[in-house]
Amino acid sequence: DSGVTQTPKHLITATGQRVTLRCSPRSGDLSVYWYQQSLDQGLQFLIQYYNGEERAKGNILERFSAQQFPDLHSELNLSSLELGDSALYFCASSVIGAVSGNTIYFGEGSWLTVV
Amino acid sequence: SQQGEEDPQALSIQEGENATMNCSYKTSINNLQWYRQNSGRGLVHLILIRSNEREKHSGRLRVTLDTSKKSSSLLITASRAADTASYFCATDAGAGGTSYGKLTFGQGTILTVHP
Repeated sequence: DSGVTQTPKHLITATGQRVTLRCSPRSGDLSVYWYQQSLDQGLQFLIQYYNGEERAKGNILERFSAQQFPDLHSELNLSSLELGDSALYFCASSVIGAVSGNTIYFGEGSWLTVV
Repeated sequence: SQQGEEDPQALSIQEGENATMNCSYKTSINNLQWYRQNSGRGLVHLILIRSNEREKHSGRLRVTLDTSKKSSSLLITASRAADTASYFCATDAGAGGTSYGKLTFGQGTILTVHP
């Protein structure tokens, strides 16, 4: 158990809908990261927050947004869902967001299926 | 795009044998991390090696890093059926010697260990 908690574990929704994925980082970790794993794109970095502020952005679609709250949990919002958004979405956390040699711990992921 | 390219894509061995997986990358890095993923599950952090390190051990794992060749290898000694999983290398290439934890993953090696 990495200590990173993600909910829900599985989600099935229809195209055009909006979903919210939730993440609780490890106790004491200030940085939260979101990654997407799909069959065709592999594992891709989406976005990072550090202590409530957006720190880095990757291949995140405009239909997707995220935030980190004062209690450090994070949410990833996916809207206008398309079939191609079906993937495993990972949240990860680490203690410090800008130090080399920083171990990133991943949650179990949220399986999203868009039908 | 995937920075890390892993080789082989799939590896099948008998219990007790050693398994070696290789990872190549394209740009300078601050550190390289190896992860394991059991089928459809979360990513488990195995080991992190910094750019100024050449070799690191953790239990039955041995990781090497050759920054001149931009490559790394993961050796699992005396493999067990429970080692069956996908193994990913991930590079962290933050600018200026700092890292934001924006990991770039390879496509992974699927390891099957037969009892």
